Amino acid sequence: AAGVIQSPRHLIKEKRETATLKCYPIPRHDTVYWYQQGPGQDPQFLISFYEKMQSDKGSIPDRFSAQQFSDYHSELNMSSLELGDSALYFCASRRGYNEQFFGPGTRLTVL
Amino acid sequence: DAKTTQPPSMDCAEGRAANLPCNHSTISGNEYVYWYRQIHSQGPQYIIHGLKNNETNEMASLIITEDRKSSTLILPHATLRDTAVYYCIVLNSGNTPLVFGKGTRLSVIA
Repeated sequence: AAGVIQSPRHLIKEKRETATLKCYPIPRHDTVYWYQQGPGQDPQFLISFYEKMQSDKGSIPDRFSAQQFSDYHSELNMSSLELGDSALYFCASRRGYNEQFFGPGTRLTVL
Repeated sequence: DAKTTQPPSMDCAEGRAANLPCNHSTISGNEYVYWYRQIHSQGPQYIIHGLKNNETNEMASLIITEDRKSSTLILPHATLRDTAVYYCIVLNSGNTPLVFGKGTRLSVIA
């Protein structure tokens, strides 16, 4: 069965650089979520989209933005990267009121 | 969404049943109990969810008390691959994002 695809899987950036993470949801899933998991921490919700419109917003820094495109894939754009942005970033998708399916994550390292 | 309380860690012998408790005393009538797990640094994985009745699927069973203030996730025959952090999450069934608490770190021991 198709799963959530995230790219890249690993990303290394310098401070103050920008990064773009991509998420391809499971086909026919209409909602995409982004979560951030710092070292030794639990996942924290960042932002979500339903049918290409932002639906919920969590603890997402102003330096981050995201959007969902017409093909339902989503991108998380991160600017002015800080050391504290080093984390695992998970994307999840769902269809209707069903459970969320998570991707394998992107490990971002900021040096 | 109601808050949940879980023990920080548990051990279970391989082949035995793992019973993971969760307290959610402030749950409201329209809120579901969801269980997810995260195997080291992988994406969280859905296990099971329920509203009032006990539920069972190929992965686990969920027992919810009659007053719905607590629940237990049961892995009937734990294997080493079940070693993970297990999260009990209460939310309504809409498009609500998941709010992860501290979870229970289950270690399955050979």
